[in-house]
Amino acid sequence: GENVEQHPSTLSVQEGDSAVIKCTYSDSASNYFPWYKQELGKRPQLIIDIRSNVGEKKDQRIAVTLNKTAKHFSLHITETQPEDSAVYFCAEGTGFQKLVFGTGTRLLVSP
Amino acid sequence: EPEVTQTPSHQVTQMGQEVILHCVPISNHLYFYWYRQILGQKVEFLVSFYNNEISEKSEIFDDQFSVERPDGSNFTLKIRSTKLEDSAMYFCASSDRAPVDQPQHFGDGTRLSIL
Repeated sequence: GENVEQHPSTLSVQEGDSAVIKCTYSDSASNYFPWYKQELGKRPQLIIDIRSNVGEKKDQRIAVTLNKTAKHFSLHITETQPEDSAVYFCAEGTGFQKLVFGTGTRLLVSP
Repeated sequence: EPEVTQTPSHQVTQMGQEVILHCVPISNHLYFYWYRQILGQKVEFLVSFYNNEISEKSEIFDDQFSVERPDGSNFTLKIRSTKLEDSAMYFCASSDRAPVDQPQHFGDGTRLSIL
């Protein structure tokens, strides 16, 4: 069945450092890979997404890379700020109808 | 920016009772979804809905669950006889087209507490 592994489960960095979160998926038919940021008690908010015809996408301090051969994709946050602290979820779009989420990464950015 | 709206924000229900969670998707969206998130865990897919019928559902979405789009704006999730393990945050989401083309936008969720 569909499964998305996400690492690390927690990540602590100093303000200004970079943070990298990695996900591995199992369904080779998946072709849509979003990343969501979820602050405590709030909704998941889409921060960036990538489709399988693209290897990399960047939006200011956030970038996502996709390796379809290896079935993994990564989120890169540069120049981290305390307000980046949240839980980040990767997901894969499968069956054209649903998202399968990873287990989440709790990112803590210390001033 | 248009948003998905969910009500109530918190619902407390006795075990065995029926509960209905309400969602108003973004107005021009065509695909609707329900997900749930048990406290501290990942977001799990429940059901997707398109063209007035269920298009996909997960193992979690058993006979106790149903969805309905009673009018042109609302999308509801009903749990017929709630169990303790139904306690979770329930998120509604909508997208303009299938996820391959357009992202899913989530509401703020309904926290369901079963006593």
